[in-house]
Amino acid sequence: KQEVTQIPAALSVPEGENLVLNCSFTDSAIYNLQWFRQDPGKGLTSLLLIQSSQREQTSGRLNASLDKSSGRSTLYIAASQPGDSATYLCAVSTGANNLFFGTGTRLTVIP
Amino acid sequence: DAGITQSPRHKVTETGTPVTLRCHQTENHRYMYWYRQDPGHGLRLIHYSYGVKDTDKGEVSDGYSVSRSKTEDFLLTLESATSSQTSVYFCAISEGGPEAFFGQGTRLTVV
Repeated sequence: KQEVTQIPAALSVPEGENLVLNCSFTDSAIYNLQWFRQDPGKGLTSLLLIQSSQREQTSGRLNASLDKSSGRSTLYIAASQPGDSATYLCAVSTGANNLFFGTGTRLTVIP
Repeated sequence: DAGITQSPRHKVTETGTPVTLRCHQTENHRYMYWYRQDPGHGLRLIHYSYGVKDTDKGEVSDGYSVSRSKTEDFLLTLESATSSQTSVYFCAISEGGPEAFFGQGTRLTVV
């Protein structure tokens, strides 16, 4: 069974700092990996999707990398802002009908 | 939120009572999913549907049933609610490709 782990569980940084969130998964036979953002009391918003054949994806200040063979992904956030404060979830897909989620990293960016 | 509406958004119910949660989409997507989110577990798949009247079990399906009589509606029923079913429930939709879109969630408390 696929297990997804995210470290750290919580992170607090001053505004403007660059940061890295980590995600690891136990079974490298994945179709893709996604990073989501979740705000309190809200649903999930997809940030970046990396197909299994890709190494990284970028969107604005966000960059996600994937090393499938080692079962790791990182989400890099450049020049963090208070509006980036949220919980970030990593999820891997092993087929069309399920996503396996990590427990998330709660990020607080201090003004 | 990609045309997904969950109702109700909040519900408190008593142990042993039946509860139905509704997910309504306006995107005409083929796949619909129900997940639950609990502290320390991440999101876990309960049931999913791949078409009208076509459903299948996910990772944590015990105690839940689903129905999909129309493309746009996917109902999750707890036949006899238990305290262990206190959770936040998320509906998601997709076209079977890698991207899934999530609703805002329903917070269910069983007392």
